[in-house]
Amino acid sequence: DGGITQSPKYLFRKEGQNVTLSCEQNLNHDAMYWYRQDPGQGLRLIYYSQIVNDFQKGDIAEGYSVSREKKESFPLTVTSAQKNPTAFYLCASSPNGGPYEQYFGPGTRLTVT
Amino acid sequence: DAKTTQPPSMDCAEGRAANLPCNHSTISGNEYVYWYRQIHSQGPQYIIHGLKNNETNEMASLIITEDRKSSTLILPHATLRDTAVYYCIVRVAIGQAGTALIFGKGTTLSVSS
Repeated sequence: DGGITQSPKYLFRKEGQNVTLSCEQNLNHDAMYWYRQDPGQGLRLIYYSQIVNDFQKGDIAEGYSVSREKKESFPLTVTSAQKNPTAFYLCASSPNGGPYEQYFGPGTRLTVT
Repeated sequence: DAKTTQPPSMDCAEGRAANLPCNHSTISGNEYVYWYRQIHSQGPQYIIHGLKNNETNEMASLIITEDRKSSTLILPHATLRDTAVYYCIVRVAIGQAGTALIFGKGTTLSVSS
């Protein structure tokens, strides 16, 4: 089946550690996105990538890093510089150009203590 | 910031139509209106989108006013499984050829029997 996978669903880390969240898609989409969601809030854009080996900062990129070495993969690293990393992280993808919808993965809930 | 305004919550009886309003008075001529919904702790699910004509699919209908400053999502026969947060989104341009979804807080729809 085509879709987006994120792993793991739940992730626990100690403060001061970097952690990488996985996002893989087999939809052959060019564009991929990372969003963060806090309780009772909407989604906020962290990073996006429109093509392999290129990515851009979203609204809240500080404390995060990404890479896009393959079309299918867009991992997100939450660094120790991110002051409030505990959140629900969502990855999405879409074809580039045109009014296409975004497809979302199931999300990873990160808890940092 | 989100370019849309939605009521924070709505109630609907099972089997009745749910009409969810959205204001987007600053929408530009080439911007589409999208609707997504999010069931607790899952990734958002695409529902429908439109530019200026009314749209219908197997999930819902989208009614856009002639001046495009507001729209209404209609779930014709709401079920308990339609209980979710519904987001009305105006897709905005980012970068040279990409677009992103700007999520607000949405409307929490509660369907009861």
